[in-house]
Amino acid sequence: ETGVTQTPRHLVMGMTNKKSLKCEQHLGHNAMYWYKQSAKKPLELMFVYSLEERVENNSVPSRFSPECPNSSHLFLHLHTLQPEDSALYLCASSQDGLAGGLRELFFGEGSRLTVL
Amino acid sequence: DAKTTQPPSMDCAEGRAANLPCNHSTISGNEYVYWYRQIHSQGPQYIIHGLKNNETNEMASLIITEDRKSSTLILPHATLRDTAVYYCIVRARNSGGYQKVTFGIGTKLQVIP
Repeated sequence: ETGVTQTPRHLVMGMTNKKSLKCEQHLGHNAMYWYKQSAKKPLELMFVYSLEERVENNSVPSRFSPECPNSSHLFLHLHTLQPEDSALYLCASSQDGLAGGLRELFFGEGSRLTVL
Repeated sequence: DAKTTQPPSMDCAEGRAANLPCNHSTISGNEYVYWYRQIHSQGPQYIIHGLKNNETNEMASLIITEDRKSSTLILPHATLRDTAVYYCIVRARNSGGYQKVTFGIGTKLQVIP
């Protein structure tokens, strides 16, 4: 138990569906992240939210839409996905700040997405 | 961030020490060495980090060479549950309020019964 909870753990969707992945952190952190991990590939950073503001968007297609309504919750809205988007989607959080130094990332268990 | 180089895979006998090397020859003076591991189909887990002194915690020890160009993660008594991909990451102290951590391929450690 890392303090970062992701739901659902498994999701199967068609290319025309709209679904959302949810992440909740119980650690009081102020930064949250979405990573994608495709089979046999390194983790890819998708989005970063710091103090509920999106600060990184690493050339992610618009069919992925993040939302951070507050510092404890992060969503990834999915629509019109492609089969190559099938992957493990990981959420992470950290406590960061100018005076805080470098802190480790805490990851959730991930949401395994399959796009048919 | 400095680039790191790790062997793609290693085996270790159960109960023996697992020594995982990492080269980071371009490391800067203000960059820390971090280690994470990822057990199959789970999220990565933080293990340990250090700047220049050797570090030890309940999970592992981190040995950093005097010139800081390489380091070794040591799992003193490997168990089957230590089978995972281990990532060595070099990062500077946070200056922007959040982190942009890049994970490489890592080392796949297989602990053998």
